[in-house]
Amino acid sequence: GAVVSQHPSRVICKSGTSVKIECRSLDFQATTMFWYRQFPKKSLMLMATSNEGSKATYEQGVEKDKFLINHASLTLSTLTVTSAHPEDSSFYICSARMSTRADTQYFGPGTRLTVL
Amino acid sequence: AQSVTQPDIHITVSEGASLELRCNYSYGATPYLFWYVQSPGQGLQLLLKYFSGDTLVQGIKGFEAEFKRSQSSFNLRKPSVHWSDAAEYFCAVGPVRGSSNTGKLIFGQGTTLQVKP
Repeated sequence: GAVVSQHPSRVICKSGTSVKIECRSLDFQATTMFWYRQFPKKSLMLMATSNEGSKATYEQGVEKDKFLINHASLTLSTLTVTSAHPEDSSFYICSARMSTRADTQYFGPGTRLTVL
Repeated sequence: AQSVTQPDIHITVSEGASLELRCNYSYGATPYLFWYVQSPGQGLQLLLKYFSGDTLVQGIKGFEAEFKRSQSSFNLRKPSVHWSDAAEYFCAVGPVRGSSNTGKLIFGQGTTLQVKP
């Protein structure tokens, strides 16, 4: 149990386009989902926290107009990178937290974004 | 400030040898503590966690970790390493239940484990 999926696993796009990444909790309801960014050989950096049905809370320094987060249901959150640029290339990982087991996050497999 | 330090960026051990990965934290109170493992190009898998109680915690894949409050440490150990254990290991801390924090985790920088045959 506690499986989180991400789609796509890998995406390449042109500079200036927008890319949407989906994060789904497959076998549980996730009241809270988190979006992380990981640079090569670096730790995970929390970008934002999203709660179902409300606006996401962004970490300091993360542009909310560039990284749009929607948590429309208890099993789906999306991250849209708008007007992507090469510096947005990174590994994006989501995690989900159960409403009944709020102490543990379950991570998705990640999405590799490359902006040309 | 809240932080997690993994002093060893890279560790190489021989297969069959014992392993200890270090983790120190700075937090306002005793937090929840986690160890995650990440294989290349993959997301994070939870190895074990400590919330309260017995300070020696058993996890998956033969890993264990010991919480030492006096040292603010939560070191990960394995008595005999397998080649498949080669991966990136992350220590993380999170707020205790009931706190006002949303539950976000603070991660260490990670330790890359290489296993020699």
